[in-house]
Amino acid sequence: QSALTQPASVSGSPGQAITISCTGGSSDIGNYDFVSWYQQHPDKAPQLLIYDVSNRPSGLSNRFSGSKSGNTASLTISGLQAEDEADYYCTSYTKSYTLVFGTGTKVTVL
Amino acid sequence: QVQLIQSGAEVRKPGSSVKVSCRASGDSLRKYAISWVRQAPGQGLEWMGGAIPLFGIVRSALNFHERLTITADESTKTVYMELSSLRSDDTAIYYCARDDFFDVIGQFRAFDIWGQGTMVTVSS
Repeated sequence: QSALTQPASVSGSPGQAITISCTGGSSDIGNYDFVSWYQQHPDKAPQLLIYDVSNRPSGLSNRFSGSKSGNTASLTISGLQAEDEADYYCTSYTKSYTLVFGTGTKVTVL
Repeated sequence: QVQLIQSGAEVRKPGSSVKVSCRASGDSLRKYAISWVRQAPGQGLEWMGGAIPLFGIVRSALNFHERLTITADESTKTVYMELSSLRSDDTAIYYCARDDFFDVIGQFRAFDIWGQGTMVTVSS
């Protein structure tokens, strides 16, 4: 199972909205609504942002939103803030009953 | 609030094995799926495999299929990850992570609680 494809980097100015894509295939993203997104700051464990494509865990900022179309999922961060500078990863459940991560995206706040 | 507490850092020689533990404070293991995720220095996250004690299921990613053993001890609320035939590129931080969203349809879905990570260094 190959890793899902994400852009290596995305940048934006404070207050802007940015979108990170996550592309898979018919054996993973295209076949299940079990896509999740994580934020990871340096030397920290990842933190769950979105599960099941578009659901936010309780207490998480509504500046983070998720969606899916076909084999591609997306994470949008609105009202970009300095603390959003981090690495972001997507995951998807697969037809092989396993889970696969994306390649990761570094978000830079200009 | 449930916490996942992992065992400490390990140093191993190539060809040997390592066993890392992940203890859940609070709840029973049977309520959750527990996965193992690793991250090599400067690299991305990689799902290794997971266990669902409630279903008696253990899955491994194809990359680790023959080297990875995941076991769960419900009496001590501990999940173990053993990786054998270690190579230098197995040097990484190994995380356990709780999946509170699993069901029969989607067995590994999302991780809401993570352990603190265990550094495993493989060096001769």
